[in-house]
Amino acid sequence: SQQGEEDPQALSIQEGENATMNCSYKTSINNLQWYRQNSGRGLVHLILIRSNEREKHSGRLRVTLDTSKKSSSLLITASRAADTASYFCATVGGATNKLIFGTGTLLAVQP
Amino acid sequence: DTAVSQTPKYLVTQMGNDKSIKCEQNLGHDTMYWYKQDSKKFLKIMFSYNNKELIINETVPNRFSPKSPDKAHLNLHINSLELGDSAVYFCASSPTPGQGVFGANVLTFGAGSRLTVL
Repeated sequence: SQQGEEDPQALSIQEGENATMNCSYKTSINNLQWYRQNSGRGLVHLILIRSNEREKHSGRLRVTLDTSKKSSSLLITASRAADTASYFCATVGGATNKLIFGTGTLLAVQP
Repeated sequence: DTAVSQTPKYLVTQMGNDKSIKCEQNLGHDTMYWYKQDSKKFLKIMFSYNNKELIINETVPNRFSPKSPDKAHLNLHINSLELGDSAVYFCASSPTPGQGVFGANVLTFGAGSRLTVL
């Protein structure tokens, strides 16, 4: 079964607005990552947050992690049409540190 | 230069056939993976190899057999294709997963191979 559940499944906003996506997971993790997938393309790594970190920034991206609630959020500020893509969280844990992906959020940014 | 390249990009075949998908990475990574993405975009890990050794083998039918001739290549062979095998198959690579509690393991993905079984 999937490790992570993402919310919302789909999100449509206007250019310039902020987009927030949430991810919940079930078991303990070593780190959590966010990936982006443009239509018809492979996934691209965006940002990684360790289990002992609570917040991390990278450009227009802000990620939070609450291990007590087993949840994370990805905030994209000042969105652009080019941000239109699917966004996946992925948790890393276990002996082999394998990545388990969430269900994804489809973000559409209207110009 | 493409970091992780997969061939073919598209594959259309009949039920019962056998097909292969090839993957090569030029990043010098030690670990390679196959993921399957279904029509609902769910991504599920299938296999992982570290330096040609199988380290992850999820519950995948025996019809799927990965082969890693060297650490830069990981191929996927599928026998007796079924309708349910239709999906996009992604190859990925990473450095050897980090040790310790925080075990950083960042993947670089190929562009995917879309398999359609008729």
